[in-house]
Amino acid sequence: QLQLQESGPGLVKPSETLSLTCTVSGGSISSRSSYWGWIRQPPGKGLEWIGTIYYTGNTYYNPSLKRRVTISVDTSKNQFSVNLSSVTAADTAVYYCARWAAAAPDPLAFDIWGQGTMVTVSS
Amino acid sequence: EIVLTQSPATLSLSPGERATLSCRASHYISIYLAWYQQKPGQAPRLLIYDASNRATGIPARFSGSGSGTDFTLTISSLEPEDFAVYYCQQRSNWPLLTFGGGTKVEIK
Repeated sequence: QLQLQESGPGLVKPSETLSLTCTVSGGSISSRSSYWGWIRQPPGKGLEWIGTIYYTGNTYYNPSLKRRVTISVDTSKNQFSVNLSSVTAADTAVYYCARWAAAAPDPLAFDIWGQGTMVTVSS
Repeated sequence: EIVLTQSPATLSLSPGERATLSCRASHYISIYLAWYQQKPGQAPRLLIYDASNRATGIPARFSGSGSGTDFTLTISSLEPEDFAVYYCQQRSNWPLLTFGGGTKVEIK
């Protein structure tokens, strides 16, 4: 059974870089049938898609965050990561990683999610 | 960018009642819409994909309909565990994805 787990610092200073890792267990991150995504949720607000990566390294980013975001994959560790630079208080949020199925019959949606990790941007 | 507008923002209903949630897209998105349920302190859970397909393990009281720009999530008879926030999300513009702002279903 595929599981995802986010990890990383819970507190980041303004102007610094937020770095989180998602560890995939119960399956291979190199599966051709999966993409891997990051989504965030500010306190009391809705969901915002950050970006998605395929095991080959192909990446796709939210245009509103593109200049500050980098998503990478480490197939040897079965992990993928997100870096968000020049953070401000507006980047305070719960950050989720999730699996997006690449092809039917799996649902083409975020069908498996990590539990999320809260990141606060504050000095 | 495809914008998804959900209405109402809050729906106050009693257990056993029918819930009807709306999601409207700013552009034509065919059937490429999913619905998620989120309870406090939990990650979202996929309910419906491609407008009307229930995800694995989702009860039959949840149904989705619509195509083009107007979509509906219906909960036929609310159970206590259904009180939560619901989000729609489009994949028509893949790989660029967007979520709606959410509808909170609260106990009346």
